[in-house]
Amino acid sequence: NAGVTQTPKFQVLKTGQSMTLQCAQDMNHEYMSWYRQDPGMGLRLIHYSVGAGITDQGEVPNGYNVSRSTTEDFPLRLLSAAPSQTSVYFCASSQASFTKNIQYFGAGTRLSVL
Amino acid sequence: AQKITQTQPGMFVQEKEAVTLDCTYDTSDPSYGLFWYKQPSSGEMIFLIYQGSYDQQNATEGRYSLNFQKARKSANLVISASQLGDSAMYFCAMRGGSEKLVFGKGTKLTVNP
Repeated sequence: NAGVTQTPKFQVLKTGQSMTLQCAQDMNHEYMSWYRQDPGMGLRLIHYSVGAGITDQGEVPNGYNVSRSTTEDFPLRLLSAAPSQTSVYFCASSQASFTKNIQYFGAGTRLSVL
Repeated sequence: AQKITQTQPGMFVQEKEAVTLDCTYDTSDPSYGLFWYKQPSSGEMIFLIYQGSYDQQNATEGRYSLNFQKARKSANLVISASQLGDSAMYFCAMRGGSEKLVFGKGTKLTVNP
Protein backbone atom coordinates (compact mmCIF):
# COMPACT_ATOMS: atom_id res chain seq x y z
CA ASN A 1 0.00 0.00 0.00
CA ALA A 2 1.90 3.06 -1.26
CA GLY A 3 -0.51 5.75 -0.02
CA VAL A 4 1.06 9.20 -0.55
CA THR A 5 4.50 9.18 -2.15
CA GLN A 6 6.79 12.20 -2.14
CA THR A 7 10.01 12.58 -4.07
CA PRO A 8 12.75 13.46 -3.46
CA LYS A 9 13.27 12.89 0.27
CA PHE A 10 16.12 15.38 0.46
CA GLN A 11 17.19 18.23 -1.80
CA VAL A 12 19.77 21.01 -1.68
CA LEU A 13 19.32 23.98 -3.97
CA LYS A 14 21.19 27.18 -4.64
CA THR A 15 19.39 30.50 -4.41
CA GLY A 16 17.57 31.20 -7.66
CA GLN A 17 17.30 27.61 -8.83
CA SER A 18 13.94 26.10 -9.62
CA MET A 19 12.67 22.63 -8.85
CA THR A 20 9.54 20.53 -8.57
CA LEU A 21 8.58 18.47 -5.56
CA GLN A 22 6.58 15.47 -6.66
CA CYS A 23 3.53 14.06 -4.88
CA ALA A 24 1.47 11.09 -5.96
CA GLN A 25 -1.34 9.19 -4.25
CA ASP A 26 -2.92 5.89 -5.20
CA MET A 27 -6.07 6.11 -3.07
CA ASN A 28 -8.22 7.97 -5.63
CA HIS A 29 -8.47 10.90 -3.24
CA GLU A 30 -10.05 14.08 -4.53
CA TYR A 31 -8.41 16.46 -2.07
CA MET A 32 -4.66 17.08 -2.03
CA SER A 33 -2.59 19.69 -0.29
CA TRP A 34 0.96 20.90 0.36
CA TYR A 35 2.27 22.08 3.73
CA ARG A 36 5.56 23.39 4.95
CA GLN A 37 6.84 22.75 8.45
CA ASP A 38 9.24 25.11 10.13
CA PRO A 39 10.54 24.86 13.72
CA GLY A 40 8.00 26.21 16.20
CA MET A 41 5.46 27.00 13.46
CA GLY A 42 3.52 23.79 13.05
CA LEU A 43 2.34 22.96 9.54
CA ARG A 44 1.24 25.79 7.28
CA LEU A 45 -0.84 25.27 4.15
CA ILE A 46 0.79 26.36 0.89
CA HIS A 47 -1.69 25.27 -1.80
CA TYR A 48 -4.50 22.78 -2.07
CA SER A 49 -6.70 21.12 -4.68
CA VAL A 50 -10.24 19.76 -4.41
CA GLY A 51 -10.00 17.86 -7.70
CA ALA A 52 -8.25 17.65 -11.05
CA GLY A 53 -8.00 21.07 -12.66
CA ILE A 54 -8.88 22.96 -9.45
CA THR A 55 -6.30 24.55 -7.15
CA ASP A 56 -6.37 27.30 -4.56
CA GLN A 57 -3.99 29.15 -2.30
CA GLY A 58 -3.39 28.42 1.34
CA GLU A 59 -1.76 30.48 4.04
CA VAL A 60 1.74 30.83 2.54
CA PRO A 61 1.51 30.52 -1.28
CA ASN A 62 4.11 33.08 -2.36
CA GLY A 63 7.01 31.60 -4.31
CA TYR A 64 5.19 28.35 -5.08
CA ASN A 65 3.08 27.11 -7.98
CA VAL A 66 0.90 24.04 -8.28
CA SER A 67 -1.19 22.31 -10.90
CA ARG A 68 -3.47 19.27 -10.81
CA SER A 69 -3.81 17.65 -14.22
CA THR A 70 -4.67 14.20 -12.83
CA THR A 71 -6.34 12.90 -9.67
CA GLU A 72 -3.14 11.10 -8.66
CA ASP A 73 -0.49 13.82 -8.95
CA PHE A 74 -0.05 17.21 -7.31
CA PRO A 75 3.43 18.66 -7.94
CA LEU A 76 4.74 21.72 -6.12
CA ARG A 77 7.03 24.04 -8.08
CA LEU A 78 9.54 26.44 -6.59
CA LEU A 79 10.08 29.08 -9.24
CA SER A 80 13.22 30.77 -7.87
CA ALA A 81 14.37 29.24 -4.61
CA ALA A 82 15.18 31.48 -1.66
CA PRO A 83 16.81 30.63 1.69
CA SER A 84 13.44 31.38 3.36
CA GLN A 85 12.07 28.33 1.57
CA THR A 86 14.35 26.02 3.53
CA SER A 87 11.83 23.77 5.23
CA VAL A 88 10.27 20.33 5.39
CA TYR A 89 7.47 19.93 2.86
CA PHE A 90 4.56 17.55 3.30
CA CYS A 91 1.98 16.48 0.78
CA ALA A 92 -1.35 15.13 2.03
CA SER A 93 -4.54 13.74 0.55
CA SER A 94 -8.06 12.84 1.65
CA GLN A 95 -11.21 11.44 0.09
CA ALA A 96 -13.01 14.75 -0.17
CA SER A 97 -13.01 18.10 1.47
CA PHE A 98 -15.63 17.21 4.06
CA THR A 99 -14.79 18.00 7.64
CA LYS A 100 -14.45 14.40 8.81
CA ASN A 101 -12.21 13.04 6.09
CA ILE A 102 -8.78 12.19 7.40
CA GLN A 103 -5.77 13.61 5.60
CA TYR A 104 -2.97 11.14 5.00
CA PHE A 105 0.54 12.46 4.72
CA GLY A 106 3.58 11.58 2.67
CA ALA A 107 6.95 11.07 4.34
CA GLY A 108 8.08 14.62 3.60
CA THR A 109 10.80 16.34 1.58
CA ARG A 110 13.58 18.12 3.45
CA LEU A 111 14.72 21.09 1.35
CA SER A 112 17.73 23.29 1.98
CA VAL A 113 18.29 26.45 -0.04
CA LEU A 114 21.81 27.86 0.19
CA ALA B 1 -10.88 32.43 10.32
CA GLN B 2 -9.96 29.20 11.99
CA LYS B 3 -7.30 29.03 14.66
CA ILE B 4 -5.79 26.26 16.78
CA THR B 5 -3.89 27.01 19.97
CA GLN B 6 -1.64 24.55 21.75
CA THR B 7 -0.28 26.27 24.84
CA GLN B 8 2.15 23.56 25.99
CA PRO B 9 5.40 23.65 24.00
CA GLY B 10 6.67 20.66 25.99
CA MET B 11 5.28 18.08 28.38
CA PHE B 12 6.90 15.37 30.47
CA VAL B 13 5.24 12.23 31.78
CA GLN B 14 6.37 9.10 33.56
CA GLU B 15 5.98 5.81 31.78
CA LYS B 16 2.62 4.14 32.50
CA GLU B 17 1.01 7.38 33.65
CA ALA B 18 -1.71 9.30 31.79
CA VAL B 19 -1.09 12.69 30.17
CA THR B 20 -3.36 15.37 28.72
CA LEU B 21 -2.28 17.56 25.84
CA ASP B 22 -4.26 20.77 25.51
CA CYS B 23 -5.89 22.16 22.39
CA THR B 24 -8.28 25.07 22.02
CA TYR B 25 -9.80 26.20 18.78
CA ASP B 26 -11.68 29.09 17.29
CA THR B 27 -14.11 28.92 14.40
CA SER B 28 -17.42 30.36 13.31
CA ASP B 29 -18.30 27.27 11.27
CA PRO B 30 -21.18 25.24 12.74
CA SER B 31 -19.74 22.01 11.36
CA TYR B 32 -16.08 21.13 11.82
CA GLY B 33 -13.75 18.29 12.57
CA LEU B 34 -10.92 18.09 15.06
CA PHE B 35 -7.88 15.88 14.54
CA TRP B 36 -4.78 14.86 16.41
CA TYR B 37 -1.59 13.79 14.66
CA LYS B 38 1.63 12.34 16.07
CA GLN B 39 5.02 13.14 14.60
CA PRO B 40 7.84 10.93 15.93
CA SER B 41 11.46 11.87 15.51
CA SER B 42 11.50 10.02 12.18
CA GLY B 43 9.32 12.81 10.81
CA GLU B 44 6.18 11.19 9.45
CA MET B 45 2.71 12.48 10.35
CA ILE B 46 0.51 9.80 11.88
CA PHE B 47 -3.24 10.28 12.32
CA LEU B 48 -4.40 9.39 15.84
CA ILE B 49 -8.01 10.41 16.45
CA TYR B 50 -10.93 12.42 15.07
CA GLN B 51 -13.85 14.25 16.72
CA GLY B 52 -16.75 15.77 14.82
CA SER B 53 -18.46 18.90 16.10
CA TYR B 54 -21.84 17.14 16.20
CA ASP B 55 -20.58 13.92 17.76
CA GLN B 56 -22.39 13.27 21.03
CA GLN B 57 -19.65 11.17 22.57
CA ASN B 58 -15.95 11.77 23.02
CA ALA B 59 -13.82 9.88 20.53
CA THR B 60 -11.60 7.03 21.67
CA GLU B 61 -8.98 5.00 19.81
CA GLY B 62 -7.17 2.49 21.99
CA ARG B 63 -5.07 4.41 24.52
CA TYR B 64 -6.05 7.74 22.95
CA SER B 65 -9.18 9.64 23.88
CA LEU B 66 -10.34 13.11 23.05
CA ASN B 67 -11.85 15.25 25.79
CA PHE B 68 -14.19 17.40 23.70
CA GLN B 69 -15.79 20.40 25.42
CA LYS B 70 -17.67 22.25 22.73
CA ALA B 71 -18.78 25.20 24.83
CA ARG B 72 -15.19 25.83 25.88
CA LYS B 73 -13.90 25.14 22.35
CA SER B 74 -11.37 22.67 23.62
CA ALA B 75 -10.33 19.27 22.27
CA ASN B 76 -7.69 17.87 24.59
CA LEU B 77 -5.91 14.61 23.80
CA VAL B 78 -5.60 12.13 26.65
CA ILE B 79 -3.02 9.36 26.40
CA SER B 80 -3.46 6.64 28.99
CA ALA B 81 -0.68 4.37 30.23
CA SER B 82 2.12 6.26 28.46
CA GLN B 83 4.81 4.27 26.71
CA LEU B 84 8.34 5.26 25.73
CA GLY B 85 7.24 5.12 22.10
CA ASP B 86 4.74 7.90 22.76
CA SER B 87 7.59 10.42 22.90
CA ALA B 88 6.93 12.65 19.89
CA MET B 89 5.45 15.92 18.70
CA TYR B 90 1.66 16.06 18.83
CA PHE B 91 -0.38 18.37 16.62
CA CYS B 92 -3.99 19.37 16.98
CA ALA B 93 -5.76 20.36 13.76
CA MET B 94 -9.18 21.50 12.61
CA ARG B 95 -11.08 21.35 9.35
CA GLY B 96 -14.17 23.46 8.82
CA GLY B 97 -16.22 24.86 6.01
CA SER B 98 -13.18 26.39 4.32
CA GLU B 99 -11.95 22.84 3.49
CA LYS B 100 -8.50 23.65 4.81
CA LEU B 101 -6.84 21.71 7.63
CA VAL B 102 -5.38 24.21 10.11
CA PHE B 103 -2.71 23.06 12.56
CA GLY B 104 -1.55 24.23 15.94
CA LYS B 105 2.14 24.67 16.67
CA GLY B 106 2.42 21.38 18.47
CA THR B 107 3.40 19.95 21.85
CA LYS B 108 6.56 17.92 22.36
CA LEU B 109 5.86 15.00 24.68
CA THR B 110 8.68 13.22 26.46
CA VAL B 111 7.96 9.95 28.27
CA ASN B 112 10.47 9.18 31.01
CA PRO B 113 11.25 5.61 32.09
